[in-house]
This record gives sequence, structure tokens and C-alpha cells, in this order.
Amino acid sequence: EVQLVETGGGLIQPGGSLRLACVVSGFTVSSNYMSWVRQAPGKGLEWVSVIYSGGSTYYADSVKGRFTISRDNSKNTVYLQMNSLRAEDTAVYYCARATLGGMVLFDYWGQGTLVTVSS
Amino acid sequence: DIQMTQSPSSVSASVGDRVTITCRASQGISSWLAWYQQKPGKAPNLLIYAASSLQSGVPSRFSGSGSGTDFTLTISSLQPEDLATYYCQQANSFLTLTFGGGTKVEIK
Repeated sequence: EVQLVETGGGLIQPGGSLRLACVVSGFTVSSNYMSWVRQAPGKGLEWVSVIYSGGSTYYADSVKGRFTISRDNSKNTVYLQMNSLRAEDTAVYYCARATLGGMVLFDYWGQGTLVTVSS
Repeated sequence: DIQMTQSPSSVSASVGDRVTITCRASQGISSWLAWYQQKPGKAPNLLIYAASSLQSGVPSRFSGSGSGTDFTLTISSLQPEDLATYYCQQANSFLTLTFGGGTKVEIK
């Protein structure tokens, strides 16, 4: 059974840092495209970042230079390091597996972890 | 950037009704469109990809159509468990990926 479990969310002050983790079971993260997608309270979905199976990483303009995606193959876990956090980063952060067969699709999702940036 | 506009933003229908949601792209995207269902408090779930292909395990009352700039998601016979917000998504690459604003489906 495929499971993605995100942890690490919480309340953080503006300018602070937080690291999210996504522990995966049922498939190997290093063989897949792993992505983070966020959803601000009451709002729609926004793609944040992806790490390719080959290790390449890409980011949305809104987080470029502040967020870093990485993975630990031995733990089958994907991370999102978030620095210089702003109020507008407040959201539920979902970890998702992406496929790229003609188009980008997110076929497995975690339950999400809430990040609240507030003083 | 390609903008995705969904309409209506919300719809209320009775069990058994046919419900249609539209998604319009600001420029042509061929058939590179997906639909997701997000139930309250849950993560999104992939329903349709490549505009009209049904994801494995998704009930056949869901269908998608369209190409170019105009797309539709149809629920042929609304069920109580279909209460959710539906999102369209386009992208043939991560850097151009965008979601629509969502359509909330309510049961009368």
C-alpha cells in the first residue's frame, strides 16, 4: 500500500525556518518525481517544488531562493527546507508523487501538514 | 503564464443530477489537462488526465472532454459522496504548471 506521511508543520514567526518531511512507503522516492504542493487556508492549490529521480530540483518563483527540496534515499523520505518564511507561506503543504508521461500528474498525495507563519 | 479559469465557482445540485464544470485555459494546451477532486479536509485525488482518461478506480459517472482551451468535467449522476471541490490542472512541465481556482459542488 502506498502511503505518504508529512510531518514538521507548525507555527513559526516571519523570517523563521522550518523543515518538512515526507516519509514514503510503497514505492521508492529516488525512482520517482517527488513534489510539494501547498494550499493556503480557503484557497486553491499551488505547486511549490519538485525533485527529479536524477536529482534535479525546480521551484515556483514564489519560493525560489528560500525553499530547498531534498531527499534521503536510505530513509525513503523527501524534505522541504523553508527559510525566510513569510505570512503568505501559510498553507497546508502536501507531498505528492508526480508522473511525467506527456503531462505532469500527481497520483499519490499525503494528508498534508499545516504551516502557519505569524507573529 | 497560462491561466486556468473554472466556472462556476460553486454549484448546488440534487442527487442524481448531471453536473458540468468548465475549465478554460488562457492559451491552447492541447489535451494536457487533469481534474482532481478534493473532499473537505482531505488531500486532492486524481480523477481524469489527458482531458478525458479516467484514472484507475474512479467511478465511471465522472468523465472529461475538451481540447485546446476549453474543457469540461461531467458528473453524470451526482452522488452524496461527490460533495467536494474540483480543480483542473494543466502542465506539460513543472515550471508551467497551474491549477484552476476550484469549483465547489454542494448537494441540495
